[in-house]
Amino acid sequence: KAGVTQTPRYLIKTRGQQVTLSCSPISGHRSVSWYQQTPGQGLQFLFEYFSETQRNKGNFPGRFSGRQFSNSRSEMNVSTLELGDSALYLCASSLSGQGPGNTIYFGEGSWLTVV
Amino acid sequence: AQSVTQLDSQVPVFEEAPVELRCNYSSSVSVYLFWYVQYPNQGLQLLLKYLSGSTLVESINGFEAEFNKSQTSFHLRKPSVHISDTAEYFCAVSGATGRRALTFGSGTRLQVQP
Repeated sequence: KAGVTQTPRYLIKTRGQQVTLSCSPISGHRSVSWYQQTPGQGLQFLFEYFSETQRNKGNFPGRFSGRQFSNSRSEMNVSTLELGDSALYLCASSLSGQGPGNTIYFGEGSWLTVV
Repeated sequence: AQSVTQLDSQVPVFEEAPVELRCNYSSSVSVYLFWYVQYPNQGLQLLLKYLSGSTLVESINGFEAEFNKSQTSFHLRKPSVHISDTAEYFCAVSGATGRRALTFGSGTRLQVQP
């Protein structure tokens, strides 16, 4: 059974550009969440999607957005990139949400460097 | 709001020695507690979780954690560590009701030395 797959694994962008990261959840999982990991702020929740609807949102500016497709695959987009957006972006999937009865599985992440 | 404090950023320990990684949380509601492990250049793997019931929970690779409600702690322990346990360990909490996104601690780097 394939795990959570994130693409691309590594990318470098310039300030002011935008970036789109992709996540394919484990087959059968309908919930996808995104987290940002930085040395300074640690792991922070961005948002959760379930059945193509955003169900939960963290405390990030509107430059961070996401969406989920009918096949549960998800993308997140960051517009007008800033140096502080450099981070590891982790995608996580679970069967039906972030309730503790649903084990959350993480992907290996997408390393974004903004220069 | 919830918060998690991991008191040690790094814990060096010799192989086969016992280890404890400390985690304290703060929440105004009932919580569920988790420990995740992150090996270099990998994502997070769930190590163990406390939902309810017995306050002592165990993982398949010898780690255990005990939920202490009065001290709001969920410390992770292993009686004898291996080189392969070298990794970053994250304590996390989610609300038992309402918003259930994970709130993570800052992580503890466990460095097992031969």
